[in-house]
Amino acid sequence: AQSVAQPEDQVNVAEGNPLTVKCTYSVSGNPYLFWYVQYPNRGLQFLLKYITGDNLVKGSYGFEAEFNKSQTSFHLKKPSALVSDSALYFCAVRDSPSNTGKLIFGQGTTLQVKP
Amino acid sequence: DGGITQSPKYLFRKEGQNVTLSCEQNLNHDAMYWYRQDPGQGLRLIYYSQIVNDFQKGDIAEGYSVSREKKESFPLTVTSAQKNPTAFYLCASSTRQGAGNNQPQHFGDGTRLSIL
Repeated sequence: AQSVAQPEDQVNVAEGNPLTVKCTYSVSGNPYLFWYVQYPNRGLQFLLKYITGDNLVKGSYGFEAEFNKSQTSFHLKKPSALVSDSALYFCAVRDSPSNTGKLIFGQGTTLQVKP
Repeated sequence: DGGITQSPKYLFRKEGQNVTLSCEQNLNHDAMYWYRQDPGQGLRLIYYSQIVNDFQKGDIAEGYSVSREKKESFPLTVTSAQKNPTAFYLCASSTRQGAGNNQPQHFGDGTRLSIL
């Protein structure tokens, strides 16, 4: 069965420092991976996705993610964190090989960026 | 602006009552989804629909029902059989998924349901 794990409940970084939010996955077949961000009392906003191709994927708001097949990881990164990046981040994998579009989400990681 | 509208933003349910959460989209998406979000548990799929007049149960469908009579609308009813309905409910939509089509889901801003 497909699954996604986000091993950290919370990540704390200082403004201006690089940030990493970790995600590992388990799938049968090719992984289709997504990152979303959620601000308080709001829906999820799409940041980026990996389908195929380059292992470094660039997305919205300066975020990028590195796909590592051997480590089955898809960590979210940003070179310089902003206080406004503080939010809840979700990693998700598409429920492959079905064609339903269903996503399986990790439990989320709260990112706290301190000034 | 295209998007997904969920209403109401806050909803209170009395014991034994059914309540319906609205989800409307003007993105011309075929597929629509309902998720439940509880603290520390991520999002769990309740129901999904890939096309009008068709829908399937997700992972936690018990105590919920849906309809898909129009492409734009996918209402969720939380029935009295759902004994722990307090949660944040999120509706999403996407283009119809298939081989080679991996477009992201777009989310509404949610409805927070509480028990009176």
